[in-house]
Amino acid sequence: QKEVEQNSGPLSVPEGAIASLNCTYSDRGSQSFFWYRQYSGKSPELIMFIYSNGDKEDGRFTAQLNKASQYVSLLIRDSQPSDSATYLCAVNEEYGNKLVFGAGTILRVKS
Amino acid sequence: KAGVTQTPRYLIKTRGQQVTLSCSPISGHRSVSWYQQTPGQGLQFLFEYFSETQRNKGNFPGRFSGRQFSNSRSEMNVSTLELGDSALYLCASSLSAGQGTRELFFGEGSRLTVL
Repeated sequence: QKEVEQNSGPLSVPEGAIASLNCTYSDRGSQSFFWYRQYSGKSPELIMFIYSNGDKEDGRFTAQLNKASQYVSLLIRDSQPSDSATYLCAVNEEYGNKLVFGAGTILRVKS
Repeated sequence: KAGVTQTPRYLIKTRGQQVTLSCSPISGHRSVSWYQQTPGQGLQFLFEYFSETQRNKGNFPGRFSGRQFSNSRSEMNVSTLELGDSALYLCASSLSAGQGTRELFFGEGSRLTVL
């Protein structure tokens, strides 16, 4: 069974610090990787996706993918209290829009 | 540009009843996927529709069903409700359902409580 593993946290970082969120996946055939942010009581919101090995940057967010080691990470620079949320890692199968989600990591940014 | 619209947002049912949830995808999006989110199991894939055809199905019992209409709007139905069906049901839309990277955009969800 395909699995996506995340540390549930909570991960606490001070305001302005870098938050590092990690995710491992079991299916070597996985093609695309997504990071979603979910505030309490809200629906998941796409932050970034990545499908090539290496880094992908978008503003304060950097996604890193290492297919050989089967992990994907999300770095949040200059963390803000508004970044406090649950971050969900998701991996999709080769065909279709079926995403396998991790359980999510709770991030708390303290001012 | 309007987002994904789900109705109803909240509903309460009793065991044994059935429920129908509706989803209108982003204009121009042809793929609609449904997910169930619970505190214990997290986000789990239910099924995906594209051009009125079910393309993928998750590991849920046959009580869970869905369909998609020609205008890409989708409905899902849960029959003979059980207490464990209490969850947030999320609809996600995407431009396509083929190979390659596909971004999913989620609606606000329908929160179902089964008593």
